[in-house]
Amino acid sequence: NAGVTQTPKFRVLKTGQSMTLLCAQDMNHEYMYWYRQDPGMGLRLIHYSVGEGTTAKGEVPDGYNVSRLKKQNFLLGLESAAPSQTSVYFCASSYSTLTGDYEQYFGPGTRLTVT
Amino acid sequence: QQPVQSPQAVILREGEDAVINCSSSKALYSVHWYRQKHGEAPVFLMILLKGGEQKGHEKISASFNEKKQQSSLYLTASQLSYSGTYFCGTCHTGTASKLTFGTGTRLQVTL
Repeated sequence: NAGVTQTPKFRVLKTGQSMTLLCAQDMNHEYMYWYRQDPGMGLRLIHYSVGEGTTAKGEVPDGYNVSRLKKQNFLLGLESAAPSQTSVYFCASSYSTLTGDYEQYFGPGTRLTVT
Repeated sequence: QQPVQSPQAVILREGEDAVINCSSSKALYSVHWYRQKHGEAPVFLMILLKGGEQKGHEKISASFNEKKQQSSLYLTASQLSYSGTYFCGTCHTGTASKLTFGTGTRLQVTL
């Protein structure tokens, strides 16, 4: 099992450019999440999905869009990158539950720099 | 609202004990604890559920006070490998397992 994988690992964008981050999991998890991590801020939830074809906003969704066309994949898009989106992005997945009974498995992260 | 973690940082000598606290202003259903080493992804340590059930797989213990909406992580006889940043993530009923993470506690274990 590869677990949770993310591509790319690193990326440098210029302001205004667009890109898509791909997250894939092979654990048949229903739930998937995108977080960003900035120094001193911990992990903040951007968007999440409770199943194929469904997505919802998290704490900091502005400037990002997501899609979950296949159960195993969760895509995070930046339509027009801004320097404030420089961050490390983590994807995570878990079994379905409404009460947080199951751990989240994290991918290795994508380090994005917007100049 | 993010849960509040304390202390923000702690330095220990190998073999010493530490306690990391996590406090929420909202009613909790579960608390997750993760450890992250520099440049790596967070790794699961433990889940504490409302009602007292614990789930974990490392030699680290924790407590969950539902009334006070607090959790504490206990690291005993610390090892060098315990170094890293510890995050608590809080889950509130009906939030589809969404976790709200604290800002982290940086732990350094020295010889």
